[in-house]
Amino acid sequence: RKEVEQDPGPFNVPEGATVAFNCTYSNSASQSFFWYRQDCRKEPKLLMSVYSSGNEDGRFTAQLNRASQYISLLIRDSKLSDSATYLCVVNSDNAGNMLTFGGGTRLMVKP
Amino acid sequence: DVKVTQSSRYLVKRTGEKVFLECVQDMDHENMFWYRQDPGLGLRLIYFSYDVKMKEKGDIPEGYSVSREKKERFSLILESASTNQTSMYLCASSSRDRGRETQYFGPGTRLLVL
Repeated sequence: RKEVEQDPGPFNVPEGATVAFNCTYSNSASQSFFWYRQDCRKEPKLLMSVYSSGNEDGRFTAQLNRASQYISLLIRDSKLSDSATYLCVVNSDNAGNMLTFGGGTRLMVKP
Repeated sequence: DVKVTQSSRYLVKRTGEKVFLECVQDMDHENMFWYRQDPGLGLRLIYFSYDVKMKEKGDIPEGYSVSREKKERFSLILESASTNQTSMYLCASSSRDRGRETQYFGPGTRLLVL
């Protein structure tokens, strides 16, 4: 079983739609969680951290469910520019230095 | 502004050549990482370093070595390049502070081994 699992997609949605991605992780001792965004042929960039109580940044909402060991990302009012691959990322060592990356979920927002 | 740079965006090498990939960060980060990214396999950790002259194997170190002589610079070396090392190579750095585990990535190097 992979340490961090995501549905690879692609998710094809129209502009303005709401879309949600889930991610599951296997290490119950994980403490830090992130969503990264990666555009085609570019490097991953931090989109947002995921906090225990859930957090929102504009149109993006991240949730953490420790009991079920999953993380979600909700995107409201999708824009064409949201088209990218979204990587679920979990810290994987006690010192917090190591990150484990999911394989990514590809989102395509269409006009 | 955070900056991680990699020496080349694209490289073409021949089987058996020795290849050096350089990474430099200007954030005074203690931690530096080398990953490769392949379709369907995601990001896989090759080597990482917590400090100058320190190195640790990641998940797929075979065929690679690294060097960290200065805090800001982390080099990945392919001793004898092979075609299965054709990939996108990404360098990243992070602070050792508990509250700042986010990794910052360089733009990547696309390596083609013929």
